[in-house]
Amino acid sequence: GAVVSQHPSRVICKSGTSVKIECRSLDFQATTMFWYRQFPKKSLMLMATSNEGSKATYEQGVEKDKFLINHASLTLSTLTVTSAHPEDSSFYICSARGGQGIGGYTFGSGTRLTVV
Amino acid sequence: DAKTTQPNSMESNEEEPVHLPCNHSTISGTDYIHWYRQLPSQGPEYVIHGLTSNVNNRMASLAIAEDRKSSTLILHRATLRDAAVYYCIPLNAGNNRKLIWGLGTSLAVNP
Repeated sequence: GAVVSQHPSRVICKSGTSVKIECRSLDFQATTMFWYRQFPKKSLMLMATSNEGSKATYEQGVEKDKFLINHASLTLSTLTVTSAHPEDSSFYICSARGGQGIGGYTFGSGTRLTVV
Repeated sequence: DAKTTQPNSMESNEEEPVHLPCNHSTISGTDYIHWYRQLPSQGPEYVIHGLTSNVNNRMASLAIAEDRKSSTLILHRATLRDAAVYYCIPLNAGNNRKLIWGLGTSLAVNP
């Protein structure tokens, strides 16, 4: 079946540094990928929609300069958390549409970011 | 977007069937009903989806009410690995529609 590979699975960084998270569709092409954020015991919150070859579409309230998204190929999207702060600590998840029949989405395994 | 209502939590015993209900009374005629689940500390996993007819796959069955205002995800024999949060999400088949996540149902499976 379809696989979306997300790396790293876990990262700890210092305040003020930047962290890049990669999301790859391994066996299908994904013109659109989605980035979510999830706080403990809460549901997934869509941050942005990443479109191959064009600018990402950010949800209301998400800072585009803080969460940089690049989707340079049909199989790779990256999320860079710039100048990270402790409040950016969260579980970040990417997904891509495809591989599950009509309208199905495949998800990465998530990245646990801890900013100290 | 259609609003969904699911029980906050449910409990089952291992090897027993589990019926997870979802109400989606405002669903539009072109929305598919998707089910995903999320195991602890992992990304969500696709379970099943359907439009009008009941659907079966290796993971589960999906029973859709005739008026499409509700559906039930059926796990035929629960295992410990099925302990997860289950989300039902109506989704239009159009391109790049966004999944809108509710709180889902947290399923506990007792050994």
